[in-house]
Amino acid sequence: KAGVTQTPRYLIKTRGQQVTLSCSPISGHRSVSWYQQTPGQGLQFLFEYFSETQRNKGNFPGRFSGRQFSNSRSEMNVSTLELGDSALYLCASSAEIPSTDTQYFGPGTRLTVL
Amino acid sequence: AQSVTQLDSQVPVFEEAPVELRCNYSSSVSVYLFWYVQYPNQGLQLLLKYLSGSTLVKSINGFEAEFNKSQTSFHLRKPSVHISDTAEYFCAVSDPSGYSTLTFGKGTMLLVSP
Repeated sequence: KAGVTQTPRYLIKTRGQQVTLSCSPISGHRSVSWYQQTPGQGLQFLFEYFSETQRNKGNFPGRFSGRQFSNSRSEMNVSTLELGDSALYLCASSAEIPSTDTQYFGPGTRLTVL
Repeated sequence: AQSVTQLDSQVPVFEEAPVELRCNYSSSVSVYLFWYVQYPNQGLQLLLKYLSGSTLVKSINGFEAEFNKSQTSFHLRKPSVHISDTAEYFCAVSDPSGYSTLTFGKGTMLLVSP
């Protein structure tokens, strides 16, 4: 089975721009979660999608948004980028229930905001 | 709300020595507990998890962790480490009710030297 894939792996943007990151979950997995990883704050939960519906959301501003498609692939969007948005963005997929089913993580997208 | 504390940001050890990585959590409800490992430039991989049953859980590569409810701890141990165990280790909790995702600790960098 192919693992979780994330594209692109690296991205450089400037302040004020917007960015879209993509995540393809493991085949058959319907839950996709997104996390932001920074040296200062560690791993923080962004949001979780299941069957195209956002079921859970972390404490991030509205500039961070996401969606899930009918094939379970997910995208997250960050608008009006700030320097502090520089981070590794990780996507994780699980079968149905992220609190109990094992979450499988992708390699991440490294976003640098200049 | 839940929180996870990993008391040591970095643990240096010599190869073949035993190691313990400490994890304490705070929660007003029962929790599920996880240890994830992150190798450089990679996503996170599940090492082991506690959902219910035996409080001692083991991984296939020699790590084990014990759930201690009275001390709200889930320390990770290995009797003899290898160079290849060098990585960052994250403790995480989730709320069994609803569709809660993971709350992570700040991570512990395990540095194994020859």
